[in-house]
Amino acid sequence: KAGVTQTPRYLIKTRGQQVTLSCSPISGHRSVSWYQQTPGQGLQFLFEYFSETQRNKGNFPGRFSGRQFSNSRSEMNVSTLELGDSALYLCASSSEYGGSSYNEQFFGPGTRLTVL
Amino acid sequence: SQQGEEDPQALSIQEGENATMNCSYKTSINNLQWYRQNSGRGLVHLILIRSNEREKHSGRLRVTLDTSKKSSSLLITASRAADTASYFCATDAQAGTALIFGKGTTLSVSS
Repeated sequence: KAGVTQTPRYLIKTRGQQVTLSCSPISGHRSVSWYQQTPGQGLQFLFEYFSETQRNKGNFPGRFSGRQFSNSRSEMNVSTLELGDSALYLCASSSEYGGSSYNEQFFGPGTRLTVL
Repeated sequence: SQQGEEDPQALSIQEGENATMNCSYKTSINNLQWYRQNSGRGLVHLILIRSNEREKHSGRLRVTLDTSKKSSSLLITASRAADTASYFCATDAQAGTALIFGKGTTLSVSS
């Protein structure tokens, strides 16, 4: 099976712009989670989707949003970008319903976002 | 929010030596997972240990869980240069919720 893919791999934006990141989970996986990784804050949970429904949400401002499509592919959007949004954004998929904490998460390579 | 805290933050050893990393957490958990991340890449799942388990093995990896002390340890035996990476523990605040990751231990194995 192909692994989790994320596009684009690298992105440079300027403050105030918006950005959309895409994640394609492993075939058959219905749960997709998103994480932001920065040197200062480490790995922080953004949100989790299962069967097109947001199941869990982390403590991020409303500028961060996401969605999941019927084929389980997921997108996350960040509007009005700030310098502090520069980070590695990771998506992970898993096969089970029980939530990311129950199951092995398969991570994609990440999208490196730089905000200038 | 609840978070696992790894200790030490950084560890440098020689090839062939064992590496031990510890993780402490604050509240009761259902599961604890360990992940590895090579520089700037995605995470790779290593082991999931449930709260009713005390020890699990996978190849050169051994994970223990002590729920009374709210701590876990990851032991890598006979380390190799390829084990150089950051290692994270991840816990859940309650069943079916998101994973919360610690800040990680950076392991450097030199030949």
